[in-house]
Amino acid sequence: ELKVEQNPLFLSMQEGKNYTIYCNYSTTSDRLYWYRQDPGKSLESLFVLLSNGAVKQEGRLMASLDTKARLSTLHITAAVHDLSATYFCAGYMRFGAGTRLTVKP
Amino acid sequence: DADVTQTPRNRITKTGKRIMLECSQTKGHDRMYWYRQDPGLGLRLIYYSFDVKDINKGEISDGYSVSRQAQAKFSLSLESAIPNQTALYFCATSDPNRGEQYFGPGTRLTVT
Repeated sequence: ELKVEQNPLFLSMQEGKNYTIYCNYSTTSDRLYWYRQDPGKSLESLFVLLSNGAVKQEGRLMASLDTKARLSTLHITAAVHDLSATYFCAGYMRFGAGTRLTVKP
Repeated sequence: DADVTQTPRNRITKTGKRIMLECSQTKGHDRMYWYRQDPGLGLRLIYYSFDVKDINKGEISDGYSVSRQAQAKFSLSLESAIPNQTALYFCATSDPNRGEQYFGPGTRLTVT
């Protein structure tokens, strides 16, 4: 049974700083997903990582997947307030608890 | 128009009542899912369906049932609602190749 663990669960950071959210999963999986949820809203897909070594970038966010280490990372570069949201990583039908990111001026 | 719609968006009901949450999608996908979201717990899978004749229990199916009326429609029922079923419920559909999920807007359910 796949388990997905994210850390940290809460992240408060200053604008302009860099940080990484980590996602570990328990069993072999060849794909991993990242979603974003704004307060009071639904989830929207950010990245689909379909193979070992996959790296995807969109704006200030970059996601990577290491299937051997069972680890995915979401790296935030030069954070801005608009990135404040909750970020979820997910395997197939299994979600992590989410990382609530707050970016302060 | 939204690809995945849910009705109602908000519902308050009393303990013991039966309630149905409805979901429709226009993406043409066969796969559909129901999740519940509780603070700090992420999303947990209740039921999923890979086609009209296929229904599967998820992680937390007790107290829930589902009906797949058509490729585009997947309903979730609470036969006898209880307060700990108070949560945000999401319906989703997915493309079988990439697997990413497309979520509806959610239904906020309160059981008093």
